[in-house]
Amino acid sequence: QQPVQSPQAVILREGEDAVINCSSSKALYSVHWYRQKHGEAPVFLMILLKGGEQKGHEKISASFNEKKQQSSLYLTASQLSYSGTYFCGTEYKDSNYQLIWGAGTKLIIKP
Amino acid sequence: NAGVTQTPKFRVLKTGQSMTLLCAQDMNHEYMYWYRQDPGMGLRLIHYSVGEGTTAKGEVPDGYNVSRLKKQNFLLGLESAAPSQTSVYFCASSRGVRTEAFFGQGTRLTVV
Repeated sequence: QQPVQSPQAVILREGEDAVINCSSSKALYSVHWYRQKHGEAPVFLMILLKGGEQKGHEKISASFNEKKQQSSLYLTASQLSYSGTYFCGTEYKDSNYQLIWGAGTKLIIKP
Repeated sequence: NAGVTQTPKFRVLKTGQSMTLLCAQDMNHEYMYWYRQDPGMGLRLIHYSVGEGTTAKGEVPDGYNVSRLKKQNFLLGLESAAPSQTSVYFCASSRGVRTEAFFGQGTRLTVV
């Protein structure tokens, strides 16, 4: 079951904040976040392994709410370089080494 | 340090033709994956390998075969290409399933 990412797309001005959500209908074991720029390969941002875990990466951070079966990615004071499509990959307890990926959230940052 | 290298980068096939995509990694990773990416659908796992000599089916394995004869290489084969296999194919490798995955630059395949 593919996780649902929301919103599908968002347009921001430089310096604004954004939140991207990744929701699952099944219990999550881990959540992986990647960013992909147009025509390029996905690039790793972070992995959340435990319910309640929060991680930070410069001005990009994420949380994992195991009860709600959801993870959120927070981008604060966005920069032009944050533009791209953000994907969450979810691992379920019966995934057998596989990640199931969301359809992506396209983020456009305007100067 | 090359990371993950995919060849070729672009290919056009006629329906029914066969081809092999090569993925090579120089990070001594155990896990390797083949994904396809279609517009609006994210990444879908085709096949994966958890070590040399092992392979397993992912979400969308039909029409594809793989081999992992050497730890550093993971080959994806299309025996009889179909237009539905037009896609961008990414190879990735990682130390484990819950570690950072490194992706190749992708292969854009068009089947006409």
